[in-house]
Amino acid sequence: GAGVSQTPSNKVTEKGKYVELRCDPISGHTALYWYRQSLGQGPEFLIYFQGTGAADDSGLPNDRFFAVRPEGSVSTLKIQRTERGDSAVYLCASSPGLVGTGELFFGEGSRLTVL
Amino acid sequence: KNEVEQSPQNLTAQEGEFITINCSYSVGISALHWLQQHPGGGIVSLFMLSSGKKKHGRLIATINIQEKHSSLHITASHPRDSAVYICAVSISYQLIWGAGTKLIIKP
Repeated sequence: GAGVSQTPSNKVTEKGKYVELRCDPISGHTALYWYRQSLGQGPEFLIYFQGTGAADDSGLPNDRFFAVRPEGSVSTLKIQRTERGDSAVYLCASSPGLVGTGELFFGEGSRLTVL
Repeated sequence: KNEVEQSPQNLTAQEGEFITINCSYSVGISALHWLQQHPGGGIVSLFMLSSGKKKHGRLIATINIQEKHSSLHITASHPRDSAVYICAVSISYQLIWGAGTKLIIKP
């Protein structure tokens, strides 16, 4: 596709359930970022991939959160045992290389609501 | 002190006015980004700057590397320009975000 695609666009789940959020970056973009944005707040960094490897996962809030990018393109953010505080919009962004050398392109986000 | 400071925090103006949003940063950067987010919407990259000036339609962005300062200008503002405008600086792979400027353009 032409842009960064995120699915699902909306996800409502119950506390304690497992959730997967998918990001399909722009073809050829090696850098991929996950951010979390709560209402009225700025984006909060979660994890950065360069190719297949997680170059920086220091933003993942706890071990319930995990992300993969096995073939260096599509990435999946996995949240186990969801809690109400996980409710937010999860944003994915990709860039041709290091973000300082290439423009950053964002998906529309996946809005997660944990009841 | 935040590494990226934006001003003003909120700005309300009449349609047609010339708008300026400022961004100052305190660290060495590889580039500066101006981003736009409409209410309930996704984030759109407007500009990536490492020097000088860029123009796209009614939007102009400038950066002064020596003074560690950037400005985003909107000419002939329109209600559809109402959004949050975010300045972010990149250091290697990291992106440091400003708090955003909420812009409202009244018809």
